[in-house]
Amino acid sequence: NAGVTQTPKFRVLKTGQSMTLLCAQDMNHEYMYWYRQDPGMGLRLIHYSVGEGTTAKGEVPDGYNVSRLKKQNFLLGLESAAPSQTSVYFCATHSRLNQPQHFGDGTRLSIL
Amino acid sequence: AQSVTQPDIHITVSEGASLELRCNYSYGATPYLFWYVQSPGQGLQLLLKYFSGDTLVQGIKGFEAEFKRSQSSFNLRKPSVHWSDAAEYFCAVGANTGNQFYFGTGTSLTVIP
Repeated sequence: NAGVTQTPKFRVLKTGQSMTLLCAQDMNHEYMYWYRQDPGMGLRLIHYSVGEGTTAKGEVPDGYNVSRLKKQNFLLGLESAAPSQTSVYFCATHSRLNQPQHFGDGTRLSIL
Repeated sequence: AQSVTQPDIHITVSEGASLELRCNYSYGATPYLFWYVQSPGQGLQLLLKYFSGDTLVQGIKGFEAEFKRSQSSFNLRKPSVHWSDAAEYFCAVGANTGNQFYFGTGTSLTVIP
């Protein structure tokens, strides 16, 4: 049982390049989230989804787009990467409102 | 607005000593409260959760937390710390009227022999 799998685990980009981060879950959870983690700032919500075909903005959505075409996958896209997007990105899922989240191991993204 | 405050950025304790990590929250209704632990290079792992009922909740790895409504606190405790407990600890609030979770900025724990 893999739980929440994030790919890739590491990536280095140049400013202006685009890329997509993939979050895949095998727990049949409805809710999926993308966070970024920066030193001293905890986790900040980028976008989230309450079910297949739905997405919503979180606290820091600018510069990111997401899609949830399949229930098990939640994609985070950077159309034109900027150095300020250098961070560790975490995907999380949960089954319903009052249940805790399950986290992936993170994607470490550096933008030069 | 909902928020979570972890006043201690970094704590150092000796192995075998007791531990208390502080968490204060701001939320209009009864919150769902969580403590997570993050080891270097890893994602967050749930230690324990509070939804309702008994205000003292037990978690994994010998941790417990107490919900105090009057103080808007949910402090994490462990009677005797082990070297393997060195990690980053996050307190979180889950909104019961929405789909969002709010995290504190974390407390880094160092354990010295």
